[in-house]
Amino acid sequence: RKEVEQDPGPFNVPEGATVAFNCTYSNSASQSFFWYRQDCRKEPKLLMSVYSSGNEDGRFTAQLNRASQYISLLIRDSKLSDSATYLCVVNEDNTGKLIFGQGTTLQVKP
Amino acid sequence: SAVISQKPSRDICQRGTSLTIQCQVDSQVTMMFWYRQQPGQSLTLIATANQGSEATYESGFVIDKFPISRPNLTFSTLTVSNMSPEDSSIYLCSVEPPTGGYEQFFGPGTRLTVL
Repeated sequence: RKEVEQDPGPFNVPEGATVAFNCTYSNSASQSFFWYRQDCRKEPKLLMSVYSSGNEDGRFTAQLNRASQYISLLIRDSKLSDSATYLCVVNEDNTGKLIFGQGTTLQVKP
Repeated sequence: SAVISQKPSRDICQRGTSLTIQCQVDSQVTMMFWYRQQPGQSLTLIATANQGSEATYESGFVIDKFPISRPNLTFSTLTVSNMSPEDSSIYLCSVEPPTGGYEQFFGPGTRLTVL
């Protein structure tokens, strides 16, 4: 079983749609959780950290369910510029080692 | 966040040669990390580099193949030795925020093609 699993997609959605990505992780002792965005031929960039209480940043909402070892990212009112690969990332023991999911590709179409 | 630069941004190398990639950060950081992203894949940690000590390598990566230097708190190098086409990847360095936290910020990457 992969340590961090994501549906690779692609998710093809129209502008303005709401889209949700899910991610599961295998290590119940994992401590920190993140969503990164990676554009084609670019480095990953931190989108948001994920906290137990859930957190929101504009159109983006992240949720963490420790009992189910499940992380989600919700994007509302999708923009063309949201087209990218979204990486679910887990830090298992706060040592600095990040475990990356394979990424979920989003394509927002006009 | 830290500003990170990498050199070279890309290179095309012959089989059997070695390439050294440089990573420079604009602030002092304790740990620097080196990742590999193979074509169509996600990122995999190669090693963690602390200043003044040997790098710590992840399973499947060895010092002879990927020697790392960390001469000071703002700079590190990764060498890809005796390259083969399977080493064709993007190599990225990253750091944690100088002010604390477990997220990481990445350099722009070095795109390596081995013929």
